[in-house]
Amino acid sequence: NAGVTQTPKFRVLKTGQSMTLLCAQDMNHEYMYWYRQDPGMGLRLIHYSVGEGTTAKGEVPDGYNVSRLKKQNFLLGLESAAPSQTSVYFCATGRGASEQFFGPGTRLTVL
Amino acid sequence: RKEVEQDPGPFNVPEGATVAFNCTYSNSASQSFFWYRQDCRKEPKLLMSVYSSGNEDGRFTAQLNRASQYISLLIRDSKLSDSATYLCVVKSGGYNKLIFGAGTRLAVHP
Repeated sequence: NAGVTQTPKFRVLKTGQSMTLLCAQDMNHEYMYWYRQDPGMGLRLIHYSVGEGTTAKGEVPDGYNVSRLKKQNFLLGLESAAPSQTSVYFCATGRGASEQFFGPGTRLTVL
Repeated sequence: RKEVEQDPGPFNVPEGATVAFNCTYSNSASQSFFWYRQDCRKEPKLLMSVYSSGNEDGRFTAQLNRASQYISLLIRDSKLSDSATYLCVVKSGGYNKLIFGAGTRLAVHP
């Protein structure tokens, strides 16, 4: 029972490159979220999904796209990475109750 | 103005001390309140929910003051293992969206 996993754990990109971050959960939760965490800023919501096939924008969606083709997976895409997207990215899941369960994070550096 | 504001600290306290953190939130319609704990370079984890009447979990006590829009966390008899960043979290709006404070760092020393 892995809970929430994220792939990759670390990545270094050059400006303009693209990549996809994968979040997988085996908790059967409906809701999934992508956050970024920057020093002094707290976690900020990028996009979220309330169920398979649905996605919605969060607080800071620009420069990111998401897809939720399967209930257990939530993908975050960067089409053209920028240095401002250097951050730690966390995926979280929830069941509509209040607690959210987080993955271990992906540390992304964009040069 | 940030929706959830916390003193970033750090709070440096000796083992056995009592320490308190406060947090203020700006949206008076906020529905639920929580404290999460985040260890260095790890993911956040729920520490406890915060109820209007106040609630306690072992050495941890949480209080909510809706009139003044602030939340507090009290840690008694601090342990070295309590060293972490404590995130004040508020649920506002639908779909269980959470708003996170930037966190208060606690360092407990021998």
